[in-house]
Amino acid sequence: KAGVTQTPRYLIKTRGQQVTLSCSPISGHRSVSWYQQTPGQGLQFLFEYFSETQRNKGNFPGRFSGRQFSNSRSEMNVSTLELGDSALYLCASSVDSGTSGSYNEQFFGPGTRLTVL
Amino acid sequence: GNSVTQMEGPVTLSEEAFLTINCTYTATGYPSLFWYVQYPGEGLQLLLKATKADDKGSNKGFEATYRKETTSFHLEKGSVQVSDSAVYFCALYSGNTGKLIFGQGTTLQVKP
Repeated sequence: KAGVTQTPRYLIKTRGQQVTLSCSPISGHRSVSWYQQTPGQGLQFLFEYFSETQRNKGNFPGRFSGRQFSNSRSEMNVSTLELGDSALYLCASSVDSGTSGSYNEQFFGPGTRLTVL
Repeated sequence: GNSVTQMEGPVTLSEEAFLTINCTYTATGYPSLFWYVQYPGEGLQLLLKATKADDKGSNKGFEATYRKETTSFHLEKGSVQVSDSAVYFCALYSGNTGKLIFGQGTTLQVKP
């Protein structure tokens, strides 16, 4: 079974631009979560989508948004890029988000490394 | 709120040495606890997990025990190898938040 794929793997943008990152979950997985990884802040949860609906959200400004399609693929968008948005963006999929209380293992993709100049 | 605290790295060991990476957590309720590993240039891989107090998770020679009384989940391995060099993340999942909360990560370097 193919793993979680993320495209592109690397991106270079300049301040003020916007960017869209894509994530294809493992076949059959309906939940997709996004995380930002930086040396200073570590791994931080951005948001989670399940059945095309955002079900959980982290503490990030509104410039960060996402969506999920009917085939469970997900995109995240960052508008008006800032230097501090430079990070590795990780996507993870699971069979279910487990908000009922039980955990379903999250499988991570390799990430998209975004550099903002 | 929920949080995870890991010992700061980097941790440098010689091959076959004993490894301990400390992890403590703060959480309401009864979270599930995890150790993830990240190799250079890759995403995170689940190393082991424990879902209730006194559970011991183990995989590839690594193990960690869920200690509710000390709110800890320390990672141990009896004999590390060069191939274990990576960044290790302790994490918790609390069902009412629907998200994984990670510690800062600990870099392990194993020298031959």
